[in-house]
Amino acid sequence: DTGVSQDPRHKITKRGQNVTFRCDPISEHNRLYWYRQTLGQGPEFLTYFQNEAQLEKSRLLSDRFSAERPKGSFSTLEIQRTEQGDSAMYLCASSSQGTLVNGYTFGSGTRLTVV
Amino acid sequence: RKEVEQDPGPFNVPEGATVAFNCTYSNSASQSFFWYRQDCRKEPKLLMSVYSSGNEDGRFTAQLNRASQYISLLIRDSKLSDSATYLCAVKVQKGGGNKLTFGTGTQLKVEL
Repeated sequence: DTGVSQDPRHKITKRGQNVTFRCDPISEHNRLYWYRQTLGQGPEFLTYFQNEAQLEKSRLLSDRFSAERPKGSFSTLEIQRTEQGDSAMYLCASSSQGTLVNGYTFGSGTRLTVV
Repeated sequence: RKEVEQDPGPFNVPEGATVAFNCTYSNSASQSFFWYRQDCRKEPKLLMSVYSSGNEDGRFTAQLNRASQYISLLIRDSKLSDSATYLCAVKVQKGGGNKLTFGTGTQLKVEL
């Protein structure tokens, strides 16, 4: 499979618990993006990496959120002390460097439900 | 004002109809433009890039109007299978990163 992979597909957690999601980008893509999408809204940018460097973070990314891409390949997004407002679809996308001709390729997403 | 705005719809159209969506963007320096299709509870999938001169892919036509700062998507001879949410995406900032800003999406329902 040469697409973007995300794991898990679904996650139900109790409020206050920590959760971690994983994203494996397309292998030749050095840029990786995390977005969050709630019902009726478009994807909202959270953060992006170029190789292992995290180059931009949205103000949506509170101090409870942290993302890493330690070896410039897969990435993890951790949410600490989850709140009900964190319930959303978390989407990962990747692209190559250079002009964005064909947009992003998104993974299938991780749907988080905080109960 | 949001950076990228779309009419959320829904647009309810009969099969075979022609339907058009617009998407406005606020930053005149915006560079790259895309239309994505998103089915219910699925990830967005690229429908087409939008080129300055306009471009067509089968029943779909995308256009860019830089003067008025909007892009459009025209769907001809709509099919039941076209029912989905259509998201516009804009690369707003210059330079590296290729960060895309998405609209809220326009919901299309094609009916018999």
